Formats: sequence, structure tokens, C-alpha cells
Amino acid sequence: GEDVEQSLFLSVREGDSSVINCTYTDSSSTYLYWYKQEPGAGLQLLTYIFSNMDMKQDQRLTVLLNKKDKHLSLRIADTQTGDSAIYFCAERGTGRRALTFGSGTRLQVQP
Amino acid sequence: SAVISQKPSRDICQRGTSLTIQCQVDSQVTMMFWYRQQPGQSLTLIATANQGSEATYESGFVIDKFPISRPNLTFSTLTVSNMSPEDSSIYLCSAPTEPNYGYTFGSGTRLTVV
Repeated sequence: GEDVEQSLFLSVREGDSSVINCTYTDSSSTYLYWYKQEPGAGLQLLTYIFSNMDMKQDQRLTVLLNKKDKHLSLRIADTQTGDSAIYFCAERGTGRRALTFGSGTRLQVQP
Repeated sequence: SAVISQKPSRDICQRGTSLTIQCQVDSQVTMMFWYRQQPGQSLTLIATANQGSEATYESGFVIDKFPISRPNLTFSTLTVSNMSPEDSSIYLCSAPTEPNYGYTFGSGTRLTVV
């Protein structure tokens, strides 16, 4: 079945860039997503990328997709303390409407 | 984008009892999804709820334990039945409320079973 993997933890200093990585196994993935979860809150959609794209930029966020290697990354420029949260990547395969989520990466931003 | 209102936001329940979680969407959606997020874990899909038909459950989840209702295109409930401490989790509903991208989530229900 589908599998999505992420590293569990990332610590950066305020003002630096953060790069969160994700790998997936489903070659039929159509859309890939990044969600943010703050403590005690639900999931907030940050950005998404369609599988025929290799990059998408949205303000401080840059998503890179290497479809050959099934690797997705999220770069946050000028990371702020308010960016501290858990970041989930998720994928949606062809013919499957529900999302499959990675394990989540806890981003800690140090002042 | 659409908004999903989920309630209750949290509850502490006695083992052996049941809790019903409600999700209301501010627009019509064909499918709704229910997920469980165990402490420190990722999201696991419980079932897909379609209006007018029985929910489709994922492996490891059964209707007797997690009955779902979907009476119309804007509302769904998930019941956690005969609860045990192992059911302590965050339960989230979701719907594909934006065409071709972006699934919106409710704010989650944090359930503690004692």
C-alpha cells in the first residue's frame, strides 16, 4: 500500500531557512500536500503541488518535487518562532480520494 | 475556503460508554473522511462517509465500534462505542472542499478515556 515517510524532528534558528523532507512510494500520486498542525489545533493546509510540477513557490514557502525519486520537500524561508509546529506531508493517489499522511516532522525554531 | 465545525473539541469519558462527534461543513460535499490521530502519531483513516450509502471502513476499523452517519451533504457524525483507554486519541473529520486540491479539516476532538 501507500507509504509516506518523514524525519521526526528539525531544529533551526530564527531567521534561517528550514527544509522538511518527505518520501513516498505511490507512483500514481496525483497531488501532494503540506499541512501544519499547531499544539491543540486541527490541520491547516499550507500548500500543495500537482504531480506534473517540480516546483511551487508561495511567499515564504517553496515546494520541490522530484517525481523520479518520489521525494518532496518544503522550504520555509526566514523561519519565525510562529512556524514552530508539526508539518505533515500527504499524498493522494489516482482513484483514491482520501489522503495518506506521513509521520509528521516537528519543527522547533529557536530564538 | 470552506469551514468545518467539529464538536466537541475535547471530552473525558468513562470506559464502556460512547461518544458521538459531529462535523458540520458550510458547503455541500460528496465525501467526508474520519481520521484518528493517536498521541504523537500521524493520521490514520478510519472511514469514508458518503451521503445515502454506508460508510467504507479501512482495515482494522469496524462499523460496530465506529458507526458513522451521513444524513445530508453537509453533516456527518462518528460514534466511538464501548470505549476503552486505547481509544484515547484526537479524532478529525475532513472533506475535499476545494476542487482538485486542498482538503479542509475540522479542529479535532481530543478524547480521553479513563
